[in-house]
Amino acid sequence: NAGVMQNPRHLVRRRGQEARLRCSPMKGHSHVYWYRQLPEEGLKFMVYLQKENIIDESGMPKERFSAEFPKEGPSILRIQQVVRGDSAAYFCASSPRGQGQGEQYFGPGTRLTVT
Amino acid sequence: AQSVTQLGSHVSVSEGALVLLRCNYSSSVPPYLFWYVQYPNQGLQLLLKYTSAATLVKGINGFEAEFKKSETSFHLTKPSAHMSDAAEYFCAVSVEGAQKLVFGQGTRLTINP
Repeated sequence: NAGVMQNPRHLVRRRGQEARLRCSPMKGHSHVYWYRQLPEEGLKFMVYLQKENIIDESGMPKERFSAEFPKEGPSILRIQQVVRGDSAAYFCASSPRGQGQGEQYFGPGTRLTVT
Repeated sequence: AQSVTQLGSHVSVSEGALVLLRCNYSSSVPPYLFWYVQYPNQGLQLLLKYTSAATLVKGINGFEAEFKKSETSFHLTKPSAHMSDAAEYFCAVSVEGAQKLVFGQGTRLTINP
């Protein structure tokens, strides 16, 4: 059973460009979470999605960031008009049910560098 | 709201010595607590979790943690450090009905030969 897949692993964008990060959850998992890790910091929650629904986006910046988890295909985290401060590692995690006491399974992350 | 504080952003121990990584949590309802490990340029891997059963939890790679409600702590220990334990360790908290994990800032563990 393949783990959580994220691509690309590394992404370089110039300021003002768009970044698209993809996450394929583990087979059978319908809950997806996105976290951001800034250098020398812990992971900060961004958004929680189930198939076709955003359940909690309380950690998402109000502008330029969006996320989706369509019925078919991977979850996408989209960052428009990137700025240097967006440089970070973005981790996707999945679970078979909502958080509670369950564990989340993490992907290897996408490391975004904005030049 | 829940929060986690990890005391010590960097911990260094000698190979074979005791590893102790500290985690204190804040939660107004019974928490679920997790320790994750992150090796360089990799994602997070679950070491162990506390979900209101036994207060002493054993995990992978010889690690264990003890839930102490009176001290609001969930410290991670390993009796004898190995070079392969060098990594970043994150404590996290969740509660029933929660939508997310709340992480501490992490502790980087270095093992000296």
